[in-house]
Amino acid sequence: GAVVSQHPSRVICKSGTSVKIECRSLDFQATTMFWYRQFPKKSLMLMATSNEGSKATYEQGVEKDKFLINHASLTLSTLTVTSAHPEDSSFYICSARDAGKGTYEQYFGPGTRLTVT
Amino acid sequence: QQQVKQSPQSLIVQKGGISIINCAYENTAFDYFPWYQQFPGKGPALLIAIRPDVSEKKEGRFTISFNKSAKQFSLHIMDSQPGDSATYFCAANPGSARQLTFGSGTQLTVLP
Repeated sequence: GAVVSQHPSRVICKSGTSVKIECRSLDFQATTMFWYRQFPKKSLMLMATSNEGSKATYEQGVEKDKFLINHASLTLSTLTVTSAHPEDSSFYICSARDAGKGTYEQYFGPGTRLTVT
Repeated sequence: QQQVKQSPQSLIVQKGGISIINCAYENTAFDYFPWYQQFPGKGPALLIAIRPDVSEKKEGRFTISFNKSAKQFSLHIMDSQPGDSATYFCAANPGSARQLTFGSGTQLTVLP
């Protein structure tokens, strides 16, 4: 149980285009999902917290117009990188909390490697 | 005050040895302390977690030791195996509705 998937696992796009990354909780409902960014050999940097049916809360320094987050259902959150540039190239990871358990555990997706050329 | 300080940055251990990774925190509101294991190109996987009402938790070869007064907690990997080679992150959470604060990570290499 507690499986989180991400799609795509890898994506290469051209500078100026937009890319959408999906995060799904496969066997549980997630009222809260989190989006992280990770640079090589670095820790996870929280970008935003996404609550189902409401606007995402962005961390300081994260451009909300550039990183659009939608959490339309209890099993799906999406991150759209708009007008991507090479500096947006990174490893993006989502995580989710099991709403039914009311526990602290966060389950992470496998990550999406974004390369902007 | 929100930081979680993790050490060492890297660790090399012989097969069969004990790997020890340490974390320290300042925020006394933290009440959940998980450890995550991450392999290259993969997302972190929850390894083991502890609440501050206990001083130790063991799951198989993995043990968390927690010292509330010192505001420190550590991960011990007994009988370390080459398959344990990965990056380990400690984290802390001040409540179920809040986000995790991660340590900087420890790259563990277990030599065969």
